[in-house]
Amino acid sequence: DQQVKQNSPSLSVQEGRISILNCDYTNSMFDYFLWYKKYPAEGPTFLISISSIKDKNEDGRFTVFLNKSAKHLSLHIVPSQPGDSAVYFCAFREAGNNRKLIWGLGTSLAVNP
Amino acid sequence: AAGVIQSPRHLIKEKRETATLKCYPIPRHDTVYWYQQGPGQDPQFLISFYEKMQSDKGSIPDRFSAQQFSDYHSELNMSSLELGDSALYFCASSFRGAIAGNKNIQYFGAGTRLSVL
Repeated sequence: DQQVKQNSPSLSVQEGRISILNCDYTNSMFDYFLWYKKYPAEGPTFLISISSIKDKNEDGRFTVFLNKSAKHLSLHIVPSQPGDSAVYFCAFREAGNNRKLIWGLGTSLAVNP
Repeated sequence: AAGVIQSPRHLIKEKRETATLKCYPIPRHDTVYWYQQGPGQDPQFLISFYEKMQSDKGSIPDRFSAQQFSDYHSELNMSSLELGDSALYFCASSFRGAIAGNKNIQYFGAGTRLSVL
């Protein structure tokens, strides 16, 4: 049973517009929620995170929103740029000492010039 | 800044052979994680080590073993390779430290692409 669902396998957005990527989860025992960006043939690159005690974290063009009651995480990219084209994974960290990440399946974002 | 180094980047093996993947974490990171990503799949957690001790175990087959050495680098040993082991293997490192509640962000290497023929 998948604990993290990233339901949109792909997303296409025009340059300058907003990109919104979403993840839903079922497990309430996550303490940190992270977004990673992955280019082909490279490892995932950490992008932004949010603690379970917050509902918003902003870093430049990237904003992450956490809605704990709806068990929903989203990433907003504004304005989107062609260089943002990549696969975006949400990753949820289990609380406790081991802190392993549970991953979504990824959303392939294409930002068109 | 130094990143996570994985070697080799590509590896081609035949069925029933063995393979060893290496991971060199970011300096001063004390935790190493191994993930396997099959085609079209999300990364699956295999195993992790904290301060050279196994910390957590995920979906790692019995044919695989791993360890973290005194210099904190880690090796993933894979024996009796099967076609289904063909995947991208990622290593990540983080600084966990002794303080509870730190972010413990995992930073990933570029991965080793293993092809089993």
